[in-house]
Amino acid sequence: EVQLVQSGAEVKKPGESLTISCKASGYSFSTYWIAWVRLMPGKGLEWMGIIYGGDSETRYSPSFQGQVTISADKSISTAFLQWSSLKTSDTAIYYCARPSGDYVLDALEIWGQGTKVTVSS
Amino acid sequence: QLVLTQSPSASASLGASVKLTCTLSSEHITYAIAWLQQRPEKGPRFLMKLNSVGRHTKGDGIPDRFSGSSSGAERYLTISSLQSDDEADYYCQTWGTGSVVFGGGTKLTVL
Repeated sequence: EVQLVQSGAEVKKPGESLTISCKASGYSFSTYWIAWVRLMPGKGLEWMGIIYGGDSETRYSPSFQGQVTISADKSISTAFLQWSSLKTSDTAIYYCARPSGDYVLDALEIWGQGTKVTVSS
Repeated sequence: QLVLTQSPSASASLGASVKLTCTLSSEHITYAIAWLQQRPEKGPRFLMKLNSVGRHTKGDGIPDRFSGSSSGAERYLTISSLQSDDEADYYCQTWGTGSVVFGGGTKLTVL
């Protein structure tokens, strides 16, 4: 079964760092892109960036460039989303998602269960 | 710029049909899209991939009540025989060279 399993909910203070993860199984991690998507309370889905599992080529949405870092470790079929200094406005649910086609960007068919991040002093 | 436009809200009665619309930016009318459903407190669920001529490929387990169609820049999602658990946010999604784009979402209320 193709799955993306994300790390658990986090509660952090402003200024703290955080890395959340998305572990893939049931397919070849190296031949697919993985996207990160934000859902803020009361808002719509926002694309943050994408990473290719094979060589970690990364592209960022202009809205998130410099705000987060996306990385991957193909040896453990896992993608990561990292903040160096969280803000209260980073409070959201973060999803990873995989396109339906390999090697290309495509419809986001497979979704992780989401990681809820709460940033509060 | 690749943009998807959706109406913020729609409503229809239990058992009726509803047609949701996603409009592509004018330079991108040949693009395929995906339709996604997000029920309250749940993660997004892939419904179908829909191309410019209306051919659609549905996700696993998506019932026949969900169908897609296309006309020009418009991509449609039709849900027939509406059920209470169809009440959700519906997003369209597409992709360009090195980017992913979401529409703003349509909140569907089942009356």
